[in-house]
Amino acid sequence: GQNIDQPTEMTATEGAIVQINCTYQTSGFNGLFWYQQHAGEAPTFLSYNVLDGLEEKGRFSSFLSRSKGYSYLLLKELQMKDSASYLCAVATIGGFQKLVFGTGTRLLVSP
Amino acid sequence: DVKVTQSSRYLVKRTGEKVFLECVQDMDHENMFWYRQDPGLGLRLIYFSYDVKMKEKGDIPEGYSVSREKKERFSLILESASTNQTSMYLCASSLKTTSEAFFGQGTRLTVV
Repeated sequence: GQNIDQPTEMTATEGAIVQINCTYQTSGFNGLFWYQQHAGEAPTFLSYNVLDGLEEKGRFSSFLSRSKGYSYLLLKELQMKDSASYLCAVATIGGFQKLVFGTGTRLLVSP
Repeated sequence: DVKVTQSSRYLVKRTGEKVFLECVQDMDHENMFWYRQDPGLGLRLIYFSYDVKMKEKGDIPEGYSVSREKKERFSLILESASTNQTSMYLCASSLKTTSEAFFGQGTRLTVV
């Protein structure tokens, strides 16, 4: 079966650092994506990890541990505009490849 | 810039109506997807297509069908709309499964 877990909601303060965790159990693994979705808008791509380790991209970093079925998205120097939902998605293999999404984490950044 | 365009932002339909949701992408992507997004349930895959005239069922295909006659266009069809199909529908395309997916703006469908 497919199972992707993320916290439902998180709050943080402007300028702080926040870590959003994602654990997964899927039938096959071909990489993990993070997307950002502002309310009423389409999801937009943030990162893709297929090998273990940390990928840094400006204020955002994403980490993957395949043996633990675990990833996190790290957001530094939080800004108000970072208030959004963050979606973890796993590319599966076997049969046909597809992208399976978690339920998303809503992040609220306060002044 | 990749563009994925969905034909409507908002739709209101009556129970039992046949509903067509259209999606067009302009980047010659092989893969196209239809998801629905509901609070607390996240994005759930309805159908996807990896080539013209090819389609695969996703996790929740019941009550839906799809059509891909041209590479750039992927249509979602609700054969007989029901109130439990009230949702946000998102179309996406990607070059391959391991490359980023580009999403349309979504269609908020209300079935009354």
